[in-house]
Amino acid sequence: ETGVTQTPRHLVMGMTNKKSLKCEQHLGHNAMYWYKQSAKKPLELMFVYSLEERVENNSVPSRFSPECPNSSHLFLHLHTLQPEDSALYLCASSPGQYSNQPQHFGDGTRLSIL
Amino acid sequence: AQTVTQSQPEMSVQEAETVTLSCTYDTSESDYYLFWYKQPPSRQMILVIRQEAYKQQNATENRFSVNFQKAAKSFSLKISDSQLGDAAMYFCAYYGTGNQFYFGTGTSLTVIP
Repeated sequence: ETGVTQTPRHLVMGMTNKKSLKCEQHLGHNAMYWYKQSAKKPLELMFVYSLEERVENNSVPSRFSPECPNSSHLFLHLHTLQPEDSALYLCASSPGQYSNQPQHFGDGTRLSIL
Repeated sequence: AQTVTQSQPEMSVQEAETVTLSCTYDTSESDYYLFWYKQPPSRQMILVIRQEAYKQQNATENRFSVNFQKAAKSFSLKISDSQLGDAAMYFCAYYGTGNQFYFGTGTSLTVIP
């Protein structure tokens, strides 16, 4: 399924670098999400956007900065990350924020912080 | 916040056999939805099966079925006639009136040929 596409698939960066993760959905959905997936921990919801407006921010450190220019694209800007930020970052979309319809996930970006 | 617990970090099953993955959750809500997602290695997380809490009948999707025990707050996934392609990480998820998905820590399923 290619409904939600994430790039890059892998990213290695130093703690002083600035990089961005990109997510694009072709499903006509109105809500998009960023999750952090770490080993042996539940998926952590980071940000929720509904109709391009941020509606949820689960106390994520400011070194993560999301951007949603339109309902099809979602970015996660990264700067001065820490080693504990190494994880798989998943993007997802759903028809609407208040929707019990299943979320559609991308392949994720495997992030490694040196 | 709701909590979802998957007490089996790893499970294995012989090909063609049946395996059951457990999931329990904590909630005070009466109306909610439960999901099982599958994440194959290095591949997308995809929906396996979904259950509405107001439905007493257990959901079934081909070889996948659930045992939903609302009073016990239990939502187990049964995979029948296991296939090699079933090997993956399986996540249980809860969606309630908070309009947010809560995921468990996952169960890694190995299928032995």
